[in-house]
Amino acid sequence: DAGITQSPRHKVTETGTPVTLRCHQTENHRYMYWYRQDPGHGLRLIHYSYGVKDTDKGEVSDGYSVSRSKTEDFLLTLESATSSQTSVYFCAISESSPELYEQYFGPGTRLTVT
Amino acid sequence: GENVEQHPSTLSVQEGDSAVIKCTYSDSASNYFPWYKQELGKRPQLIIDIRSNVGEKKDQRIAVTLNKTAKHFSLHITETQPEDSAVYFCAIPRGRDDKIIFGKGTRLHILP
Repeated sequence: DAGITQSPRHKVTETGTPVTLRCHQTENHRYMYWYRQDPGHGLRLIHYSYGVKDTDKGEVSDGYSVSRSKTEDFLLTLESATSSQTSVYFCAISESSPELYEQYFGPGTRLTVT
Repeated sequence: GENVEQHPSTLSVQEGDSAVIKCTYSDSASNYFPWYKQELGKRPQLIIDIRSNVGEKKDQRIAVTLNKTAKHFSLHITETQPEDSAVYFCAIPRGRDDKIIFGKGTRLHILP
């Protein structure tokens, strides 16, 4: 597996609390992505980054924010967690544009919002 | 916007038989067509990909075919084995904004 880790791997939190998930890579890849995976929906893009401090929204970005202050770290924040954000979250990295290079996925974070 | 339709959502085949999964897309500008496999409890991983300048690519028991005119590409698995049981995703990267759209996945069951 590519050098990509996610933390925490599991988290249970209460509705209304802020939550931050971390993705860390050691590959020096330019692109980083956050997806959520839910039954029947496949993988849906939340936010992505194409460089330090360069981020953009995906198809399901409401309620989420991201930051990338270093090449190796991409943080996903749920500003006020809701039960609908219970999901498995995957981070992915790509050397360059996804039109040219494959994506490598992290191990995932299972988040439960009660 | 870009749309990707993946069929079937579930597929059961007898061990040793072939399996075919198809994805249809709408953006004619797409030029790269990857397939990912996700085993139960694991992360998705690339298994094969194809670029628009070729119509077919093979890697042992798996192959991908592309029909750019009809805007669809398919994953073919021959001589299926128990370890082929997984969820398979197609994906369409969008070069104009670096986003990637995944199909909803196909759960493949290999029956003994």
